[in-house]
Amino acid sequence: DQQVKQNSPSLSVQEGRISILNCDYTNSMFDYFLWYKKYPAEGPTFLISISSIKDKNEDGRFTVFLNKSAKHLSLHIVPSQPGDSAVYFCAASAMYSGGGADGLTFGKGTHLIIQP
Amino acid sequence: DTGVSQDPRHKITKRGQNVTFRCDPISEHNRLYWYRQTLGQGPEFLTYFQNEAQLEKSRLLSDRFSAERPKGSFSTLEIQRTEQGDSAMYLCASSPWTIDSPLHFGNGTRLTVT
Repeated sequence: DQQVKQNSPSLSVQEGRISILNCDYTNSMFDYFLWYKKYPAEGPTFLISISSIKDKNEDGRFTVFLNKSAKHLSLHIVPSQPGDSAVYFCAASAMYSGGGADGLTFGKGTHLIIQP
Repeated sequence: DTGVSQDPRHKITKRGQNVTFRCDPISEHNRLYWYRQTLGQGPEFLTYFQNEAQLEKSRLLSDRFSAERPKGSFSTLEIQRTEQGDSAMYLCASSPWTIDSPLHFGNGTRLTVT
C-alpha cells in the first residue's frame, strides 16, 4: 500500500506563474513532511520541511502547506523559474511519534516542467 | 562543501555475481541511510545506521543484501547473487543527530544486472 501519494505524474506551468504540487498521505502517525527536488543523474536535494504542529512553512519562493485533517500537503513555488524544472518528491516520517522506521517514506514524484 | 559521496556511479554486472557499493557520508553526520529507487518510483528505504549500529532494516532488504558501517564513518552495501530485479539506483543519505534534520543524499550508484 502506498502511504504517500503524488497523483500527478507531471505538471506543466508557465514561467513566472505559480506551481502547486500536491501530496496525500494515509498514515496518521506521520508528523514530519519534506519536499525534495531531483535533477536527472543526481540525488534528491532537500527543499523545505514542515512538522505537524504547523500548517505553513515558507522559504523564499517555496511554501509548504499542511492540512492534517485532510492528510494533504502542497508545495507552492512562486514565481516559477526555468531552473525549477525537475522531479519533486514528497516524503513523510513518524519522526516525533516514533511510530515508524526512521527512514522517510516517499511518493512517486511529480515531474514539473516550467515553460518559457 | 563535501557532500555525500557514492562509488561507483555506475555498475553493470551479470546475474549471479556479487557487487559492493561504498558511501562516504558528510563527516559530522552520524546517521546513514540506504535507499533504492526504480524507474517511476520514489526512493524506498532499505536500512539505517546510527554510528556503527544498524538500527533498522526494511523488509525489502532480503538476505542477499548486507550493509555495514564498521567504524561509524563510511558504509558498504553488498548484494550477493544478483538478480535482474536488483537493477535500480542505490542512494545513500546522511544526517546529523538532531531529530528534524533533513537527509542529504548522494548521487547514487546505478546498478544494471544483465
